[in-house]
Amino acid sequence: NAGVTQTPKFQVLKTGQSMTLQCAQDMNHEYMSWYRQDPGMGLRLIHYSVGAGITDQGEVPNGYNVSRSTTEDFPLRLLSAAPSQTSVYFCASSSSGQGFYEQYFGPGTRLTVT
Amino acid sequence: GENVEQHPSTLSVQEGDSAVIKCTYSDSASNYFPWYKQELGKRPQLIIDIRSNVGEKKDQRIAVTLNKTAKHFSLHITETQPEDSAVYFCADSAGNKLTFGGGTRVLVKP
Repeated sequence: NAGVTQTPKFQVLKTGQSMTLQCAQDMNHEYMSWYRQDPGMGLRLIHYSVGAGITDQGEVPNGYNVSRSTTEDFPLRLLSAAPSQTSVYFCASSSSGQGFYEQYFGPGTRLTVT
Repeated sequence: GENVEQHPSTLSVQEGDSAVIKCTYSDSASNYFPWYKQELGKRPQLIIDIRSNVGEKKDQRIAVTLNKTAKHFSLHITETQPEDSAVYFCADSAGNKLTFGGGTRVLVKP
């Protein structure tokens, strides 16, 4: 199993550009989520999904869109990049059922917006 | 929304000593409390977790305690080793979301 994969690993955008961060998992996990990690800070939840066709907002959703058309994929779209979105983005997945289980993180995407 | 506070933000210990990290949470409905370790430049990885029906859980040199009445939980690392140097994050679950603390940077000095 590849686990959770993310592409690209690094990206530089100009202010106002849009792009999509890709995330895929091959563990048949229902739950997937996106976090951002700023220097010296913890992980903040952007959006999450409890299954295909279902998404919801996390703590910092503004400026980002998500969709979940399949169990495997959960792309994160930046609508109009801003310098404040410079961060490391982690995708994570976990099985679900009665409560939470271990979240498996992807390797991260380091995004710089100039 | 849910708030998880984590202390201290940095912790320096001598190799072989113990390290303790404490977290408090606000949502009394939280029932799952994981701890993640993140080495420099790497992804976070789960090291231990505890559910609300358990007061303490151990795994070799790592232990977690939970006090639901006081809404706090702690990570204990005994006999610290250089490979324990990393950032540690606590988290709790409220609804369908995990909320993370701000992290503790642990440095184990040889």
